Amino acid sequence: EVQLVESGGGLVQPGGSLRVSCAASGFIFSGYEMMWIRQAPGKGLEWVSYIAGSSSPIYYRDSVKGRFTISRDNSKNLLYLQMNSLRAEDTGVYYCARGLHGGYWGQGTLVTVSS
Amino acid sequence: DIQMTQSPSSLSASVGDRVTITCRASQGIVNYLAWFQQKPGRAPKSLIYAASSLQSGVPSKFSGSGSGTDFTLTISSLQPEDSATYYCQQYYSYPLTFGGGTKVEIK
Repeated sequence: EVQLVESGGGLVQPGGSLRVSCAASGFIFSGYEMMWIRQAPGKGLEWVSYIAGSSSPIYYRDSVKGRFTISRDNSKNLLYLQMNSLRAEDTGVYYCARGLHGGYWGQGTLVTVSS
Repeated sequence: DIQMTQSPSSLSASVGDRVTITCRASQGIVNYLAWFQQKPGRAPKSLIYAASSLQSGVPSKFSGSGSGTDFTLTISSLQPEDSATYYCQQYYSYPLTFGGGTKVEIK
């Protein structure tokens, strides 16, 4: 059974940093591209970043370029999103998803950027 | 960026009704379109990919169609458990983009 479990969310001050993780199981992790998608409270879905199975290529939405870094450890079946210089508008639930068309999603982890 | 426009933004229908949601892309995306269902407090669930391919385990009452710029998601016979918000997403080019969502309620 495919499972994706996010962790690492929490409350952080503006300008701070946070790393969220996604633990994958039930499939050959290295064989799949992965994405991070976020959802601000009461809002729609917003794609954040993409990483290929081999870690290249990588893509980001413009608003997080230079601040967020996506990475993966295929030996540990883990996907990461390092978030620096966080802003209030980065607040939301962060989901990891498998594949370019999001065949499977995790339950999400809440990131709150507030002073 | 490719803009994805869903309509309607919300609808109310009766049990057993056939429901259609439309998604329009601001430029052609061939068939690189997915549909998702999200219930309150839950993660989105994949329904359709490649515009018309049913994700494994999804009931056949859900169907997708379209290509180019115009796409539809149809629920053939609406049931109470289908009450949710539905999103389309294009994966033709980066940044990947989602429609604004369609909230489906049961009368």
